[in-house]
Amino acid sequence: NAGVTQTPKFRILKIGQSMTLQCTQDMNHNYMYWYRQDPGMGLKLIYYSVGAGITDKGEVPNGYNVSRSTTEDFPLRLELAAPSQTSVYFCASSYSSSSAGGYTFGSGTRLTVV
Amino acid sequence: AQKITQTQPGMFVQEKEAVTLDCTYDTSDPSYGLFWYKQPSSGEMIFLIYQGSYDQQNATEGRYSLNFQKARKSANLVISASQLGDSAMYFCAMREFNTDKLIFGTGTRLQVFP
Repeated sequence: NAGVTQTPKFRILKIGQSMTLQCTQDMNHNYMYWYRQDPGMGLKLIYYSVGAGITDKGEVPNGYNVSRSTTEDFPLRLELAAPSQTSVYFCASSYSSSSAGGYTFGSGTRLTVV
Repeated sequence: AQKITQTQPGMFVQEKEAVTLDCTYDTSDPSYGLFWYKQPSSGEMIFLIYQGSYDQQNATEGRYSLNFQKARKSANLVISASQLGDSAMYFCAMREFNTDKLIFGTGTRLQVFP
């Protein structure tokens, strides 16, 4: 059981480049999330999805886009990368809010924009 | 708006001693969930313990317990018999039940010394 799989694990981008961070879960979770974690800080929500075809903005959505065409996949797109987007990105998924616990996090993608 | 506050940027504790990590929260929702996660230096997010807003008893998981004081809106994590491997960042988080979003605090870095 793979859980939440994020690729790549590391990436260096030049300013202005674009890339897609991949996230796949095999637990049939309806809810999926993208967080970013800046050094020494907590996680901030970028975008989330409550099901296929439904996405919504979190706290820090600027500079990012998402799509959710299937239950399993929730890719995060960075357009025109900026140094401020240097961070560690976590994808997570969960069951419905009625369950205790139930969040599974990926291992993270460390992104550096130079 | 919902908010999680962790006022201790860093804590030190001697091995085998107990330590309390503070967390206060702010929400107007009657239903919510409170979580603690551990993030070691390797970066993964490890779920420790969960407390539902309607749970009558404080949650416990092995050496971890959650001191839930609903009227004071606090959810402190107590680690008993600290071990060197407990050295890590600890994050308190709260789930919004209508969206399932998980909101994080800024974290507390715990260092356990021999």
